[in-house]
Amino acid sequence: DVKVTQSSRYLVKRTGEKVFLECVQDMDHENMFWYRQDPGLGLRLIYFSYDVKMKEKGDIPEGYSVSREKKERFSLILESASTNQTSMYLCASTSLAGGPETQYFGPGTRLLVL
Amino acid sequence: QQQVKQSPQSLIVQKGGIPIINCAYENTAFDYFPWYQQFPGKGPALLIAIRPDVSEKKEGRFTISFNKSAKQFSLHIMDSQPGDSATYFCAAQTGANNLFFGTGTRLTVIP
Repeated sequence: DVKVTQSSRYLVKRTGEKVFLECVQDMDHENMFWYRQDPGLGLRLIYFSYDVKMKEKGDIPEGYSVSREKKERFSLILESASTNQTSMYLCASTSLAGGPETQYFGPGTRLLVL
Repeated sequence: QQQVKQSPQSLIVQKGGIPIINCAYENTAFDYFPWYQQFPGKGPALLIAIRPDVSEKKEGRFTISFNKSAKQFSLHIMDSQPGDSATYFCAAQTGANNLFFGTGTRLTVIP
């Protein structure tokens, strides 16, 4: 079974703080993704990575950065947290077998920025 | 711009009913249409998926109907159970990285 774990289930941060969200997958997947989930908006892609040290912007990258130093780990960084970044953050991974592949999601991190 | 439009936003049915969730898309490059199920406190998980070369796919009580010419697809849940209460997301995908989600439907099945 694929397992995608996220470092925290709940986080409370203050405006202006630097926030790190960590994601680890254990299936040697090449691709990893960060989404945010908001009511009525579904899941929106922030960034994805198709290899170590490689990253691509998704639909809403503003205010975020990412880091992928090891294949199994993909970090999302909020350089200076703002209240409009209060959301559920979901990490996902998939293999690069060619063609559409199922994305496997972690349980999510619910972030509250005060 | 929402690549995949999903309706309704919420749905309440009695146990045994057949909830139907509808999705529509515009981009004809999409070649894979998965449905994800999400329970509270969990991440989404793949429920069932279809490719555009078939018009229907059934797995257990879950059926996807696909209308390529109308660019629409829907999820039907037969004999729905309270344990099916969850949020359902349709999605459309092309390639390994381009997955676009609908806005979600919160389904409640009343015992």
